Amino acid sequence: DGGITQSPKYLFRKEGQNVTLSCEQNLNHDAMYWYRQDPGQGLRLIYYSQIVNDFQKGDIAEGYSVSREKKESFPLTVTSAQKNPTAFYLCASSARRGAPYTDTQYFGPGTRLTVL
Amino acid sequence: AQKITQTQPGMFVQEKEAVTLDCTYDTSDPSYGLFWYKQPSSGEMIFLIYQGSYDQQNATEGRYSLNFQKARKSANLVISASQLGDSAMYFCAMVTGGRRALTFGSGTRLQVQP
Repeated sequence: DGGITQSPKYLFRKEGQNVTLSCEQNLNHDAMYWYRQDPGQGLRLIYYSQIVNDFQKGDIAEGYSVSREKKESFPLTVTSAQKNPTAFYLCASSARRGAPYTDTQYFGPGTRLTVL
Repeated sequence: AQKITQTQPGMFVQEKEAVTLDCTYDTSDPSYGLFWYKQPSSGEMIFLIYQGSYDQQNATEGRYSLNFQKARKSANLVISASQLGDSAMYFCAMVTGGRRALTFGSGTRLQVQP
C-alpha cells in the first residue's frame, strides 16, 4: 500500500537537544512538506521541498532544518534554537502535476514532540 | 497574502442529519484551490474534497459536498446523513498559484450525537 509514514509517533526531548523526525513516502510524489500544529489551532508551514536537493522556508522555519537527499525522504530536525518545540508535527506530500492550485496534499500520521 | 476563516469553533449535529461547516477565504490570486480535511482524534489529516477557483460546478464526494460561492468568497462543507464516525475536527485550507503550500483555518470541531 502506498502512503506516508512518520516516526516516531511520540518523541520526548530534553531542552538543548536536537531531534530528528522522520518522514518517508512511497507515493512517488515530487513535493513534500512539514507542518506544525499547536493545540486548538490549524497547521502552519515549516519547510517544503518541490524536488530533490531543493527546499524552501515556510512561515515558521526558525529553529528547524531539513534535507531532501532522496525523493522518498524529508527528515525534519528540531534544533535547540527552537524556543517552543512542543507540538504535533505533520508531514505531507503531493504529486506536483498540473497547475499548482490543483495539487492535493496527503498527510502522514504525525509525530507528537514534547520537550521535558 | 491569503487567509482562511472558520468562525464555528464547535458544532453539534444529530445522527443522520445534514450539517454545514462554514469557511471564508481571502486571496488576490485568481487561481486557487480550496480543500477540506478531517482530523480525527488520532491526529492524521484526511483529505475530503477539493474545489478549484475555475470550477463551474460544486464539488461532491460521496456524502461530502462543497457549497462554493465565489463572489462571497465562501467554501462551505456540507456533510449529509451524519454518522457517529464523522465526529472530528474539520479544517478548510487553500493553495494559490503563487503559494503551493496549504494555508489552514483554525478548524471546527464537529460532534455527532446519537
